[in-house]
Amino acid sequence: EVQLVESGGGLVKPGGSLRLSCSASGFTFSSYSMNWVRQAPGKGLEWVSSISSSGTYIFYADSVKGRFTISRDNAKNSLYLQMNSLRAEDTAVYYCARALGHGYDYLDYWGQGTLVTVSS
Amino acid sequence: EIVLTQSPGTLSLSPGERATLSCRASQSVSSSYLAWYQQKPGQAPRLLIYGASSRATGIPDRFSGSGSGTDFALTISRLEPEDFAVYYCQQYGNSPRTFGQGTKVEIK
Repeated sequence: EVQLVESGGGLVKPGGSLRLSCSASGFTFSSYSMNWVRQAPGKGLEWVSSISSSGTYIFYADSVKGRFTISRDNAKNSLYLQMNSLRAEDTAVYYCARALGHGYDYLDYWGQGTLVTVSS
Repeated sequence: EIVLTQSPGTLSLSPGERATLSCRASQSVSSSYLAWYQQKPGQAPRLLIYGASSRATGIPDRFSGSGSGTDFALTISRLEPEDFAVYYCQQYGNSPRTFGQGTKVEIK
């Protein structure tokens, strides 16, 4: 069974940093692209970042470029999102989601999400 | 950036009725790289349709997707009680990947 479990969310002050993790199981992690998608309270979905299976190709939404860094450790079946210079508008539930990659970038499995709250 | 506009914002229907949701793109979506997701309150989104018209694993055949270019649709042939939720389209042919703002299907 495919499982994605996010962790690392919490309350942080504006300007602060947080590192999210996503632990994967039930599939060959190193064969899939991975994504972060967020959802502000009561709002829609916003794609944040993606990383290819090997980590070679990385993309970011303009809203987080230069502040967030996506990475992965295929030996540990884990995905990460380092978030720096956090702003109130980064408050959201952050989901990790799997994609096959190579053009088949629809998100076929999602974790349950971790809440990040940026507030003083 | 490709902007996806979903309509209507809210659809009020009764169980057993047919639902048709629209997703219009600001420019052509490459190779029909368009997906539909369902989200219920407090839950993660679930993939329904990819490649504009292919059903994901385990998705009932009352869900169907259609369209190409800039105009896409999700149809639910007969609404079941568990289908009342928010539906999002997403294009994954261009970066940045973008989502529509969602259509809520509510019980009339």
